[in-house]
Amino acid sequence: GQNIDQPTEMTATEGAIVQINCTYQTSGFNGLFWYQQHAGEAPTFLSYNVLDGLEEKGRFSSFLSRSKGYSYLLLKELQMKDSASYLCAVVSGTYKYIFGTGTRLKVLA
Amino acid sequence: GAVVSQHPSWVICKSGTSVKIECRSLDFQATTMFWYRQFPKQSLMLMATSNEGSKATYEQGVEKDKFLINHASLTLSTLTVTSAHPEDSSFYICSARGGDSSYEQYFGPGTRLTVT
Repeated sequence: GQNIDQPTEMTATEGAIVQINCTYQTSGFNGLFWYQQHAGEAPTFLSYNVLDGLEEKGRFSSFLSRSKGYSYLLLKELQMKDSASYLCAVVSGTYKYIFGTGTRLKVLA
Repeated sequence: GAVVSQHPSWVICKSGTSVKIECRSLDFQATTMFWYRQFPKQSLMLMATSNEGSKATYEQGVEKDKFLINHASLTLSTLTVTSAHPEDSSFYICSARGGDSSYEQYFGPGTRLTVT
């Protein structure tokens, strides 16, 4: 079956670094997306990985290991505005996204 | 670019009535649109995939007669929740992708439906 797991909640301190993990088992794989979602709003795009390795974009980096079915999102220099849910989504054999359970991140002052 | 709008942004309706939600791609042609439902503190669950001019493909467990999807043009898809019940209260989000090979979906701002 299709299964994507993320931690439910994480807490970190302003200025710190946090890593949000995502493990997946899907029948097909055409890449993995990370999205940020604030409560009551639509998800916003953060990153897309289709090849193994690390993609860096400002304070956000995303890593993928296809052989391990594993990805992480790394957030550096945390700010209060980073408090949100972070969603991992795998593109399966078609163009469909399969979303993970989402990780609610709380950044404390 | 790649802006998707939804209307209305929130709606309250009485049990037993029907509600229509519109999803529009404003600056690109959306060959495929997706409808998601999100309950509080949960992730997005795909309800259906619709391609312009053809019938929507519904995910397992989603009643096609209750959630009517029409993708009449390359810029508009509608979701009608028929005979709404309080358990249909949720956040409904649409997304769209263009006709290129990219896998990226562009999300609308969502519609908050409350059924009383």
